[in-house]
Amino acid sequence: NAGVTQTPKFQVLKTGQSMTLQCAQDMNHEYMSWYRQDPGMGLRLIHYSVGAGITDQGEVPNGYNVSRSTTEDFPLRLLSAAPSQTSVYFCASRALIGFPPRYEQYFGPGTRLTVT
Amino acid sequence: ILNVEQSPQSLHVQEGDSTNFTCSFPSSNFYALHWYRWETAKSPEALFVMTLNGDEKKKGRISATLNTKEGYSYLYIKGSQPEDSATYLCAFQIDSLQGGKLIFGQGTELSVKP
Repeated sequence: NAGVTQTPKFQVLKTGQSMTLQCAQDMNHEYMSWYRQDPGMGLRLIHYSVGAGITDQGEVPNGYNVSRSTTEDFPLRLLSAAPSQTSVYFCASRALIGFPPRYEQYFGPGTRLTVT
Repeated sequence: ILNVEQSPQSLHVQEGDSTNFTCSFPSSNFYALHWYRWETAKSPEALFVMTLNGDEKKKGRISATLNTKEGYSYLYIKGSQPEDSATYLCAFQIDSLQGGKLIFGQGTELSVKP
C-alpha cells in the first residue's frame, strides 16, 4: 500500500491563479480530510468527506473547494490564490477500528504552497 | 468554539531525562483523544488513540494517560533520546454526527540534546 499520497510537494503560485492539490489513498478509507498547517496555529481542518459524493466544511473553508467522486481521490482546489493561503497542506484519511470504535488517521507527506 | 491546548509549547531536555507534557480539551462531547508524533519535514504519525476515562497506553518508552472528566491527557517519555526530538500533537475527536472531526492542539516541540 502506498498509503496517502499528495502531489505536488512544492508549488509557487501568483495571486489570483488557481490550482488543484491532489490527494489519493489506497486503503479504501471512507473518511478523508484536508488540513493546513501554519506557524503557531497547529493543524486546521479545511474540508472533509465521509464518503464518495459527500463533502463538508471544516474550520477554515473559505477560498477552497473540494469534491469526492471516488473513494480514492480527494482533490483540493484553490479558486483564486491569495498570499494568506501560503501554508503547508496535509491530506489525511481515516479508518474506523477496534471496540469501542475509534479512528486511526493517516497523513500524506504534505504540499508546501507559496503564494506571491 | 472548541479549544485544545497543549503545554508547554516547547521543551529542551538532555538525553536520558524523562519528560511529560499536557493536552487539555473540552470535557463535553468527547469521543477520543489522539496523540501524534511529528518529525520535521515529515507527516504526523499516530502514537495513541484513547477513548475511555482512565485509559493508559504505552509504546516503548512513551506512554499516555487520559482523564475525560477533567479534560486532560498526559504524554510521558522515559529516558529521552535524541531521536525523540519532534513535535507532539494531540487532537480531540468530537462525538458528533459530522464524522468525528479532529480538533488539534498547537503541539509541544521537544528537543533532546545528546
